[in-house]
Amino acid sequence: ETGVTQTPRHLVMGMTNKKSLKCEQHLGHNAMYWYKQSAKKPLELMFVYSLEERVENNSVPSRFSPECPNSSHLFLHLHTLQPEDSALYLCASSPGTAYGYTFGSGTRLTVV
Amino acid sequence: GESVGLHLPTLSVQEGDNSIINCAYSNSASDYFIWYKQESGKGPQFIIDIRSNMDKRQGQRVTVLLNKTVKHLSLQIAATQPGDSAVYFCAENMDSSYKLIFGSGTRLLVRP
Repeated sequence: ETGVTQTPRHLVMGMTNKKSLKCEQHLGHNAMYWYKQSAKKPLELMFVYSLEERVENNSVPSRFSPECPNSSHLFLHLHTLQPEDSALYLCASSPGTAYGYTFGSGTRLTVV
Repeated sequence: GESVGLHLPTLSVQEGDNSIINCAYSNSASDYFIWYKQESGKGPQFIIDIRSNMDKRQGQRVTVLLNKTVKHLSLQIAATQPGDSAVYFCAENMDSSYKLIFGSGTRLLVRP
């Protein structure tokens, strides 16, 4: 729909599980992002990749590990999460700096 | 216990009326601004943007106004329709970086 596809749409995981979120963009953009959207806070930037290199890393716990194998794909690997990590995880892409993002529909994550 | 979420300001308008959603941004160095719309179960969707060398920009049924003196941004929606019901976010970009900083959002409810 938007050109940014996220899978899965919903994920329930236990605190000891390992899972991965996937994002793919078909827009030819150079930059990709992970944002966290929770009920308690505004949209929080987690990671930024430009041409497969991480360019920003906001103080994110190490239990979240990003991977960008190429400019069209972005992963977020999850390990030993906490219940407070339950949120909507949004992937976005942009042509570069000072451009609006195109967001995917998000993965609704519940940690039990 | 029950989680306490963000208290989103809510604007309720009659269908057919004009809506004005306001946003105060945080950094006087910000030079690029965007409005996003987020419907339930979806990611944020780009509506309109404006750069700091402009004070007004119009799109289809939407107008964004920028007042740099008081660091204020507004989104005007003409002839509001039920499909406009959503949460609206403003976002600011500083110094042509990759990072967009999002506001906490305003919920728009359109009464039939």
